[in-house]
Amino acid sequence: EVQLLESGGGLVQPGGSLRLSCAASGFTFSSYAMSWVRQAPGKGLEWVSMIISDGGRTYYADSVKGRFTISRDNSKNTLYLQVNSLRAEDTAVYYCAKDKGPNGIDVWGQGTTVTVSS
Amino acid sequence: DIQMTQSPSTLSASVGDRVTITCRASQSISNWLAWYQQKPGKAPKLLIYKAFFLESGVPSRFSGSGSGTEFTLTISSLQPDDFATYYCQQYNTYSTFGQGTKVEIK
Repeated sequence: EVQLLESGGGLVQPGGSLRLSCAASGFTFSSYAMSWVRQAPGKGLEWVSMIISDGGRTYYADSVKGRFTISRDNSKNTLYLQVNSLRAEDTAVYYCAKDKGPNGIDVWGQGTTVTVSS
Repeated sequence: DIQMTQSPSTLSASVGDRVTITCRASQSISNWLAWYQQKPGKAPKLLIYKAFFLESGVPSRFSGSGSGTEFTLTISSLQPDDFATYYCQQYNTYSTFGQGTKVEIK
C-alpha cells in the first residue's frame, strides 16, 4: 500500500523552527518528485515547496522562500521540510505529497499540524 | 506568479443536478491543470489531471475540460458523496491552487 506518514509538527513560538519529516512506503520513492502543501485552519490549500526525484532542484512559494528548506534522503525514503523564522501565518496542517509525474498529486499524507503562537 | 481564480466560491445543489465549477488562470498554463476533492478533516483526492484525464478509480460522472486560461470541472449527476470542497491546481510554473469551491446541499 502506498503511504506517506508525516511527523514533526507541534506548537512553536514565533521565530522558532521545526523539522517536518515524511516517511514514504509502497512505491519507489527515488523515482518521484515530492511536495509539501499546507492548509491554514478554515482556509484553502497552499502549495509550499517541491523537490525533484534526485533532490537536484527545489522550488518554493514566495511566502516561504528563504525561511523553509525542502530536502530528501532517498536511501531512507524520507522527505523533509525545515521550517525556520516561523510566523503566526505559518500555522497550518502540512501535507506531504507524491507528485504524479508532472500531472498533479496522486498521494497525500494525513498531515502534521504546525501551530505558531506565543 | 500565476494566480488561479475559481468560481463560484460556494455552490448549492441537489442530488442529481449537473454541476460546473470554473477555474481561470492569470496566464496560459496550457493544459497543466488538476482538480481535487476534499472533505472536512481529510487530505485532498485527485480527480482530474492534465485538464481532462480522469484519475484511476474516479467515477465517470466527473469530467474536466479547457486549456490555456479557462477550465471547468463538471459533475454530470451530483451524488450524496460529492458534497465537498473542490480545488483546481496549476503546475505549469511551480504550482498554485485555486481558493476552492464548496458544493453544499441545497
